[in-house]
Amino acid sequence: SQTIHQWPATLVQPVGSPLSLECTVEGTSNPNLYWYRQAAGRGLQLLFYSVGIGQISSEVPQNLSASRPQDRQFILSSKKLLLSDSGFYLCAWSQIPSGTTDTQYFGPGTRLTVL
Amino acid sequence: AQSVAQPEDQVNVAEGNPLTVKCTYSVSGNPYLFWYVQYPNRGLQFLLKYITGDNLVKGSYGFEAEFNKSQTSFHLKKPSALVSDSALYFCAARGAGGFKTIFGAGTRLFVKA
Repeated sequence: SQTIHQWPATLVQPVGSPLSLECTVEGTSNPNLYWYRQAAGRGLQLLFYSVGIGQISSEVPQNLSASRPQDRQFILSSKKLLLSDSGFYLCAWSQIPSGTTDTQYFGPGTRLTVL
Repeated sequence: AQSVAQPEDQVNVAEGNPLTVKCTYSVSGNPYLFWYVQYPNRGLQFLLKYITGDNLVKGSYGFEAEFNKSQTSFHLKKPSALVSDSALYFCAARGAGGFKTIFGAGTRLFVKA
């Protein structure tokens, strides 16, 4: 069966510090991968998605970036964190090819607090 | 523009009573529709989906959802609510042939014992 991991689970970082959040998927190959941010325990904002290694699409201009160095690894980064980057970050995967039912399956999330 | 609306921020129901969480959508083409549940400080868990066929879809934990094409709705239902059903529920939609899944803002369900 497929599983998705995220770490760390929680993170407290000062403003201006760098960020690296990691997401890995097991039990599948060539998945679609997604990064979402959830603010104040409500709606989801799609940040990035990837359909393959090195292929990243950005949905919202911001000081975050994403990379996919391996097939089942998705990394969210920032060079300098802002207060507004605080939130709950969720990674998700779905099965390629797109155009199918595209059920997304979510990781446990990372709670980021920027002070 | 594609969108998903969950008109209620919160739904309150007594344990044992039926529950309904409302969702309407606007996507291009035939819709793929989903419901997810989120418990505090956890990721979203997939509950059920509608692709085609029977308008009544059954999912996990006794939940079901009814697709209504004319009303562009996909309401989540359960015949008898449990206190453990208290959580945040998200409706999501994607147009056939599209790539992005659009999520609603979420509805918080509170089931009182």
